[in-house]
Amino acid sequence: GAVVSQHPSWVICKSGTSVKIECRSLDFQATTMFWYRQFPKQSLMLMATSNEGSKATYEQGVEKDKFLINHASLTLSTLTVTSAHPEDSSFYICSAYPQETQYFGPGTRLLVL
Amino acid sequence: GQQLNQSPQSMFIQEGEDVSMNCTSSSIFNTWLWYKQDPGEGPVLLIALYKAGELTSNGRLTAQFGITRKDSFLNISASIPSDVGIYFCAGQNTGTASKLTFGTGTRLQVTL
Repeated sequence: GAVVSQHPSWVICKSGTSVKIECRSLDFQATTMFWYRQFPKQSLMLMATSNEGSKATYEQGVEKDKFLINHASLTLSTLTVTSAHPEDSSFYICSAYPQETQYFGPGTRLLVL
Repeated sequence: GQQLNQSPQSMFIQEGEDVSMNCTSSSIFNTWLWYKQDPGEGPVLLIALYKAGELTSNGRLTAQFGITRKDSFLNISASIPSDVGIYFCAGQNTGTASKLTFGTGTRLQVTL
Protein backbone atom coordinates (compact mmCIF):
# COMPACT_ATOMS: atom_id res chain seq x y z
CA GLY A 1 0.00 0.00 0.00
CA ALA A 2 0.88 3.67 -0.20
CA VAL A 3 3.16 5.16 2.44
CA VAL A 4 2.35 8.25 4.46
CA SER A 5 4.80 9.53 7.05
CA GLN A 6 4.49 12.03 9.88
CA HIS A 7 7.07 14.00 11.78
CA PRO A 8 7.59 14.19 14.65
CA SER A 9 6.13 11.01 16.09
CA TRP A 10 5.72 12.68 19.45
CA VAL A 11 6.26 16.12 20.89
CA ILE A 12 6.08 17.71 24.32
CA CYS A 13 5.76 21.45 24.56
CA LYS A 14 4.97 24.18 27.03
CA SER A 15 1.59 25.86 27.10
CA GLY A 16 1.52 28.89 24.80
CA THR A 17 4.05 27.64 22.28
CA SER A 18 3.34 26.57 18.71
CA VAL A 19 3.97 23.12 17.30
CA LYS A 20 4.30 22.11 13.65
CA ILE A 21 3.48 18.60 12.46
CA GLU A 22 4.44 17.39 8.99
CA CYS A 23 2.60 14.87 6.84
CA ARG A 24 4.32 13.49 3.75
CA SER A 25 3.21 11.14 1.00
CA LEU A 26 6.37 9.19 0.23
CA ASP A 27 5.56 7.31 -2.97
CA PHE A 28 2.71 9.24 -4.53
CA GLN A 29 1.42 12.75 -5.02
CA ALA A 30 -1.54 13.95 -3.01
CA THR A 31 -3.56 17.01 -3.93
CA THR A 32 -5.71 16.38 -0.88
CA MET A 33 -4.72 15.32 2.61
CA PHE A 34 -6.80 15.08 5.75
CA TRP A 35 -6.01 15.87 9.36
CA TYR A 36 -7.67 13.96 12.19
CA ARG A 37 -7.52 14.21 15.95
CA GLN A 38 -7.99 11.27 18.27
CA PHE A 39 -8.44 11.53 22.03
CA PRO A 40 -7.71 8.51 24.24
CA LYS A 41 -10.13 5.64 23.76
CA GLN A 42 -12.08 7.57 21.15
CA SER A 43 -12.48 7.41 17.42
CA LEU A 44 -10.84 9.61 14.81
CA MET A 45 -12.48 12.96 14.26
CA LEU A 46 -11.81 14.85 11.05
CA MET A 47 -10.40 18.32 11.68
CA ALA A 48 -9.78 19.65 8.20
CA THR A 49 -9.18 18.88 4.55
CA SER A 50 -5.86 20.13 3.24
CA ASN A 51 -5.84 21.17 -0.42
CA GLU A 52 -2.62 21.69 -2.36
CA GLY A 53 -2.31 25.27 -3.49
CA SER A 54 -5.47 26.51 -1.81
CA LYS A 55 -6.98 27.09 1.60
CA ALA A 56 -7.85 24.23 3.87
CA THR A 57 -11.46 23.37 4.62
CA TYR A 58 -12.18 23.07 8.32
CA GLU A 59 -14.85 20.98 9.99
CA GLN A 60 -17.44 22.65 12.15
CA GLY A 61 -16.08 23.57 15.54
CA VAL A 62 -12.41 23.50 14.52
CA GLU A 63 -10.70 26.88 14.88
CA LYS A 64 -8.83 27.67 11.69
CA ASP A 65 -6.71 30.33 13.37
CA LYS A 66 -5.58 27.85 15.97
CA PHE A 67 -4.89 24.93 13.66
CA LEU A 68 -3.03 26.36 10.69
CA ILE A 69 -2.73 24.10 7.67
CA ASN A 70 -0.32 24.60 4.77
CA HIS A 71 -0.29 22.27 1.77
CA ALA A 72 2.52 23.82 -0.22
CA SER A 73 3.47 20.83 -2.35
CA LEU A 74 1.94 17.63 -3.68
CA THR A 75 3.75 15.57 -1.07
CA LEU A 76 3.67 17.72 2.06
CA SER A 77 1.01 19.15 4.33
CA THR A 78 1.75 20.77 7.67
CA LEU A 79 -0.47 21.34 10.68
CA THR A 80 0.60 24.01 13.14
CA VAL A 81 -1.05 24.10 16.53
CA THR A 82 -0.69 27.71 17.61
CA SER A 83 -0.56 28.80 21.23
CA ALA A 84 -1.04 25.24 22.36
CA HIS A 85 -2.85 24.50 25.61
CA PRO A 86 -3.17 21.28 27.62
CA GLU A 87 -6.58 20.59 26.09
CA ASP A 88 -4.86 20.39 22.68
CA SER A 89 -2.97 17.32 23.86
CA SER A 90 -4.05 14.54 21.56
CA PHE A 91 -3.00 12.11 18.84
CA TYR A 92 -2.94 13.85 15.46
CA ILE A 93 -3.14 11.68 12.35
CA CYS A 94 -3.01 12.64 8.69
CA SER A 95 -4.14 10.71 5.65
CA ALA A 96 -3.74 10.98 1.90
CA TYR A 97 -5.21 9.48 -1.25
CA PRO A 98 -3.07 7.77 -3.88
CA GLN A 99 -6.17 6.60 -5.72
CA GLU A 100 -9.54 5.67 -4.22
CA THR A 101 -8.54 4.77 -0.68
CA GLN A 102 -7.19 6.81 2.18
CA TYR A 103 -3.91 5.73 3.74
CA PHE A 104 -2.99 7.01 7.15
CA GLY A 105 0.22 8.23 8.67
CA PRO A 106 1.57 6.75 11.91
CA GLY A 107 0.32 9.69 13.96
CA THR A 108 1.91 12.37 16.14
CA ARG A 109 1.30 12.40 19.86
CA LEU A 110 1.22 15.93 21.28
CA LEU A 111 1.50 16.61 24.98
CA VAL A 112 1.12 20.20 26.12
CA LEU A 113 2.31 20.89 29.65
CA GLY B 1 -19.48 15.38 13.71
CA GLN B 2 -21.38 12.24 12.83
CA GLN B 3 -20.05 8.90 13.97
CA LEU B 4 -21.11 5.44 13.00
CA ASN B 5 -22.18 3.04 15.74
CA GLN B 6 -20.09 -0.08 16.15
CA SER B 7 -20.89 -3.08 18.28
CA PRO B 8 -19.69 -4.59 20.38
CA GLN B 9 -17.68 -1.81 21.97
CA SER B 10 -15.13 -4.33 23.20
CA MET B 11 -14.69 -8.07 23.31
CA PHE B 12 -12.45 -10.65 24.89
CA ILE B 13 -12.07 -13.87 22.99
CA GLN B 14 -9.88 -16.92 23.11
CA GLU B 15 -7.31 -17.67 20.46
CA GLY B 16 -8.84 -19.69 17.67
CA GLU B 17 -12.34 -18.31 18.07
CA ASP B 18 -14.20 -16.47 15.36
CA VAL B 19 -15.09 -12.80 15.83
CA SER B 20 -17.94 -10.80 14.44
CA MET B 21 -18.53 -7.07 14.69
CA ASN B 22 -20.84 -4.67 12.93
CA CYS B 23 -21.29 -1.05 12.06
CA THR B 24 -24.51 0.87 11.49
CA SER B 25 -25.32 4.29 10.18
CA SER B 26 -28.38 6.50 9.99
CA SER B 27 -27.36 7.60 6.50
CA ILE B 28 -26.29 5.85 3.31
CA PHE B 29 -22.70 5.42 2.21
CA ASN B 30 -21.40 4.31 -1.18
CA THR B 31 -18.20 2.85 0.22
CA TRP B 32 -17.50 1.02 3.46
CA LEU B 33 -14.00 0.54 4.81
CA TRP B 34 -12.60 -1.42 7.72
CA TYR B 35 -9.40 -0.32 9.46
CA LYS B 36 -7.34 -1.75 12.33
CA GLN B 37 -5.43 0.50 14.69
CA ASP B 38 -2.66 -0.71 16.97
CA PRO B 39 -1.79 1.37 20.05
CA GLY B 40 0.11 4.53 19.18
CA GLU B 41 -0.18 4.02 15.44
CA GLY B 42 -2.35 5.17 12.58
CA PRO B 43 -5.17 3.02 11.19
CA VAL B 44 -4.29 0.41 8.58
CA LEU B 45 -6.77 -0.48 5.86
CA LEU B 46 -8.06 -4.07 6.03
CA ILE B 47 -10.90 -4.27 3.55
CA ALA B 48 -12.71 -1.87 1.20
CA LEU B 49 -16.27 -2.48 -0.02
CA TYR B 50 -17.67 -0.59 -2.98
CA LYS B 51 -21.00 -2.22 -3.84
CA ALA B 52 -24.13 -2.92 -1.81
CA GLY B 53 -24.33 -6.60 -0.97
CA GLU B 54 -20.64 -7.15 -1.73
CA LEU B 55 -18.83 -9.78 0.33
CA THR B 56 -15.04 -9.46 0.33
CA SER B 57 -12.33 -11.49 2.01
CA ASN B 58 -8.75 -10.72 2.93
CA GLY B 59 -7.14 -13.77 4.46
CA ARG B 60 -8.99 -14.60 7.66
CA LEU B 61 -11.07 -11.44 7.39
CA THR B 62 -14.42 -11.22 5.65
CA ALA B 63 -16.54 -8.10 5.36
CA GLN B 64 -19.92 -7.38 3.83
CA PHE B 65 -21.52 -4.19 2.55
CA GLY B 66 -25.15 -4.19 3.74
CA ILE B 67 -27.82 -4.07 1.06
CA THR B 68 -29.41 -1.02 2.67
CA ARG B 69 -26.04 0.76 2.41
CA LYS B 70 -26.43 1.70 6.06
CA ASP B 71 -24.44 -1.10 7.62
CA SER B 72 -21.47 -3.39 7.30
CA PHE B 73 -19.99 -6.25 9.25
CA LEU B 74 -16.53 -7.71 9.71
CA ASN B 75 -15.73 -11.30 10.62
CA ILE B 76 -12.35 -12.60 11.73
CA SER B 77 -11.92 -16.36 11.67
CA ALA B 78 -9.59 -18.35 13.89
CA SER B 79 -8.32 -15.36 15.81
CA ILE B 80 -4.65 -15.10 16.78
CA PRO B 81 -2.93 -12.87 19.37
CA SER B 82 -1.82 -10.33 16.77
CA ASP B 83 -5.48 -9.61 15.97
CA VAL B 84 -5.54 -7.54 19.17
CA GLY B 85 -6.32 -3.91 18.46
CA ILE B 86 -9.11 -1.51 17.71
CA TYR B 87 -11.20 -2.05 14.61
CA PHE B 88 -12.87 0.92 12.98
CA CYS B 89 -15.43 0.99 10.24
CA ALA B 90 -15.63 4.06 8.01
CA GLY B 91 -18.21 5.23 5.53
CA GLN B 92 -17.48 7.28 2.46
CA ASN B 93 -19.52 8.76 -0.35
CA THR B 94 -18.74 9.15 -4.02
CA GLY B 95 -15.67 10.79 -5.45
CA THR B 96 -12.01 10.48 -4.67
CA ALA B 97 -10.61 12.56 -1.86
CA SER B 98 -13.94 12.29 -0.08
CA LYS B 99 -14.20 12.54 3.66
CA LEU B 100 -14.46 9.47 5.84
CA THR B 101 -16.90 9.13 8.70
CA PHE B 102 -15.51 6.78 11.33
CA GLY B 103 -17.25 4.36 13.63
CA THR B 104 -16.88 4.35 17.37
CA GLY B 105 -14.53 1.37 17.27
CA THR B 106 -14.47 -2.20 18.57
CA ARG B 107 -11.61 -3.10 20.89
CA LEU B 108 -10.56 -6.71 20.48
CA GLN B 109 -8.48 -8.61 23.00
CA VAL B 110 -7.40 -12.17 22.42
CA THR B 111 -6.42 -14.49 25.22
CA LEU B 112 -4.31 -17.58 24.81
